[in-house]
Amino acid sequence: NAGVTQTPKFQVLKTGQSMTLQCAQDMNHEYMSWYRQDPGMGLRLIHYSVGAGITDQGEVPNGYNVSRSTTEDFPLRLLSAAPSQTSVYFCASSRNLAGLHANSPLHFGNGTRLTVT
Amino acid sequence: ELKVEQNPLFLSMQEGKNYTIYCNYSTTSDRLYWYRQDPGKSLESLFVLLSNGAVKQEGRLMASLDTKARLSTLHITAAVHDLSATYFCAVENKLIFGTGTRLQVFP
Repeated sequence: NAGVTQTPKFQVLKTGQSMTLQCAQDMNHEYMSWYRQDPGMGLRLIHYSVGAGITDQGEVPNGYNVSRSTTEDFPLRLLSAAPSQTSVYFCASSRNLAGLHANSPLHFGNGTRLTVT
Repeated sequence: ELKVEQNPLFLSMQEGKNYTIYCNYSTTSDRLYWYRQDPGKSLESLFVLLSNGAVKQEGRLMASLDTKARLSTLHITAAVHDLSATYFCAVENKLIFGTGTRLQVFP
């Protein structure tokens, strides 16, 4: 069982470059989300999706785009990287956050450590 | 805007001692989650609390939820070194996380 798979594990970008962080889950989860983790600030929600074709903004969406064309994949795009985006990025998924599957916690990927110089 | 606050942010405790981590949140929510993160690792789910008065226990950890007070606690009983990690609470409503409590248990 692969669970939530994130690639790459490490990435170094120059300011202004763009890139896509990949996230895939094989649990048929409807809900997927992206967080960034910075020292002393916990995890902050960037974007989330409640199902294929549906995305919404979280706490810190600026500078990031997402799409959800399939249930399995939820890529995060950095449009023009900035040093302030240096962070560890986690993708997570869950069956659902409401209704019948309320007992489902988030399953996290192993993270992508991004450095922007 | 939902705010989730944990305290303390850092906790250094001796093996065998008891302590409680607090998680306060600012808006109504019936569900709260606790996670553990080891250094350099991903997050692991510990507890899912689904209603007011919910209490769950696993080993030396016990979590409770008071939705009226908007407060959850994570109680550590007779701490051991293996519990050293960072603990996060997260509130439903897009799963907003607290800043985490870094726990260090020393002999």
